[in-house]
Amino acid sequence: EVQLVESGGGLVKPGGSVRLSCAASGFTFNSYGMNWVRQAPGRGLEWVSSLSSGDVYIHYADSVKGRFAISRDSAKNSLHLQMNSLRTEDTAVYYCMRGGYGDPEDLWGQGTLVTVSS
Amino acid sequence: SHELTQPSSVSVSPGQTATITCSGDVLGKKSVRWFQQKPGQAPVLVIYRDTERPSGIPERFSGSNSGTTVTLTISGAQVEDEADYYCYSATDNNRVFGGGTKLTVL
Repeated sequence: EVQLVESGGGLVKPGGSVRLSCAASGFTFNSYGMNWVRQAPGRGLEWVSSLSSGDVYIHYADSVKGRFAISRDSAKNSLHLQMNSLRTEDTAVYYCMRGGYGDPEDLWGQGTLVTVSS
Repeated sequence: SHELTQPSSVSVSPGQTATITCSGDVLGKKSVRWFQQKPGQAPVLVIYRDTERPSGIPERFSGSNSGTTVTLTISGAQVEDEADYYCYSATDNNRVFGGGTKLTVL
């Protein structure tokens, strides 16, 4: 089955760190660009970061640049988001999304909730 | 950075045509995708490259582009089409979602 499954969310204190993972299955993971998108409670979608196939290009939203890092583990078909120096405004459901860099963004995971609170 | 502007809400009766717009300066040069999101669910792609419909998306969903404004049209909207809709576009170094439009069908 073609799917993306996120994990790693939870409660973290301001200033803390967390690493999100997205397990991909059912498709050739390395052939696709991948993305992280977040949605704060009751708010709209916000793009966070993108990684092209072959990891040639990486892009970040200004709101997370210098604090978040996107990466891919090709051997494990996994996408990661290392989130450091977390702020309360980073509280959101984080979605993994396939596509971009010329391909349609046609597959989403179910999301994982990150809550930043003391 | 670029911005995409959508109406906050649109309301139609079942069977009517729903029109949701998305405007932004970058849209004359970059294509748009549209996502549908129902409460408690992940978004679903309904239109890409301004006008293309993924497999499995009903034919009543269509997209158009007239320069700096793109439009999602749902011809003969159904109750099950009630959802939030987001436009999305990418430039060379940035990606952005519109603020979202809540479509009510009743």
